Amino acid sequence: DTGVSQNPRHKITKRGQNVTFRCDPISEHNRLYWYRQTLGQGPEFLTYFQNEAQLEKSRLLSDRFSAERPKGSFSTLEIQRTEQGDSAMYLCASSPYGYEQYFGPGTRLTVT
Amino acid sequence: AQTVTQSQPEMSVQEAETVTLSCTYDTSESDYYLFWYKQPPSRQMILVIRQEAYKQQNATENRFSVNFQKAAKSFSLKISDSQLGDAAMYFCAYRSPNTGNQFYFGTGTSLTVIP
Repeated sequence: DTGVSQNPRHKITKRGQNVTFRCDPISEHNRLYWYRQTLGQGPEFLTYFQNEAQLEKSRLLSDRFSAERPKGSFSTLEIQRTEQGDSAMYLCASSPYGYEQYFGPGTRLTVT
Repeated sequence: AQTVTQSQPEMSVQEAETVTLSCTYDTSESDYYLFWYKQPPSRQMILVIRQEAYKQQNATENRFSVNFQKAAKSFSLKISDSQLGDAAMYFCAYRSPNTGNQFYFGTGTSLTVIP
């Protein structure tokens, strides 16, 4: 088991472009979470999946953000019409029972 | 929403000494889980230690232990015999069993280990 992986690790995009990130959780984990982390802050919850069902979305998640987990395995997080305020580290975590979470290395997004 | 407060943005400790990182939280729930995560520079977060609120005994993992004071809503992390590899950001986190598995994180404490 190689742990949670995220791709790409870094993404630089121009304002107004769309970006998509991918997360591959630990294979037997049915819960998957997305967080956003800005410099000097702890991770902020964005959304949560149990298998393929998106069960929770933070109010922080504007309409420009969408996440999917089509087959209950990998997940994608898409940001449309990126803004400079979207620049952050996007973290993915998975969990077998929701009891503790295992984090991926993150995708660092820079919007210029 | 639950809030988690880490009042020490930065801490330092001499190698081989002991350091305590503070965390307080605000909740009206009686059953919950608390965690300390470590985030080394440019590396992913890893779990250091966890505590179930219903357990009175403080959790211990090798050189890491917690002082869980439920009434005071305090959850501090003690690192004994500090090593250079302990240098990292440390995040305290709260998980409610009632709000859909959301984790709430503090703002972190940056720990420097001085050789």
